[in-house]
Amino acid sequence: NAGVTQTPKFQVLKTGQSMTLQCAQDMNHEYMSWYRQDPGMGLRLIHYSVGAGITDQGEVPNGYNVSRSTTEDFPLRLLSAAPSQTSVYFCASRNQGYTDTQYFGPGTRLTVL
Amino acid sequence: ILNVEQSPQSLHVQEGDSTNFTCSFPSSNFYALHWYRWETAKSPEALFVMTLNGDEKKKGRISATLNTKEGYSYLYIKGSQPEDSATYLCALINYQLIWGAGTKLIIKP
Repeated sequence: NAGVTQTPKFQVLKTGQSMTLQCAQDMNHEYMSWYRQDPGMGLRLIHYSVGAGITDQGEVPNGYNVSRSTTEDFPLRLLSAAPSQTSVYFCASRNQGYTDTQYFGPGTRLTVL
Repeated sequence: ILNVEQSPQSLHVQEGDSTNFTCSFPSSNFYALHWYRWETAKSPEALFVMTLNGDEKKKGRISATLNTKEGYSYLYIKGSQPEDSATYLCALINYQLIWGAGTKLIIKP
């Protein structure tokens, strides 16, 4: 099992550019989430999905879109990048039980100039 | 709005010393509490899942206790080693995981 994979690992964008961060998992997990991690802020939830075709907003959704067309994939789209979106982005997946472990991808470090 | 708090925010500990830190959460409607360990430049990894009041879990030199009635969990590290340096996160499960901001542990050799 590859677990949770993310691409790219690093990305530099100019303000106003758009891009998609890819996330895939091969554990057949129902729940998938996107977080951003900023210094001193911990993990903040951007968007999440409880299954294919179902997505919802988290704590900081503005400027980001998601879709979940398959169980495996959960891409995060930055519509028009802003310097405030400079961060490390983590994708995660888990099953729906309260005691199920959440598995994280390796992260994408994004810099917006 | 559920709030999970961790204290202290950071902690410097001499190698060989033992230490502990706290995760506080609302005691009503408790389902489970997760502890994760997050090393710099890596991804968070699961340590423990705790569900019952009075639960105690142990993994090597790391252990955790849970008090759901008063809404807190302690993480203990016995005989700290440099490899224990990491940020320790707790998360309350309530449909979604509600994360604390973490305790950053730095072990001084």
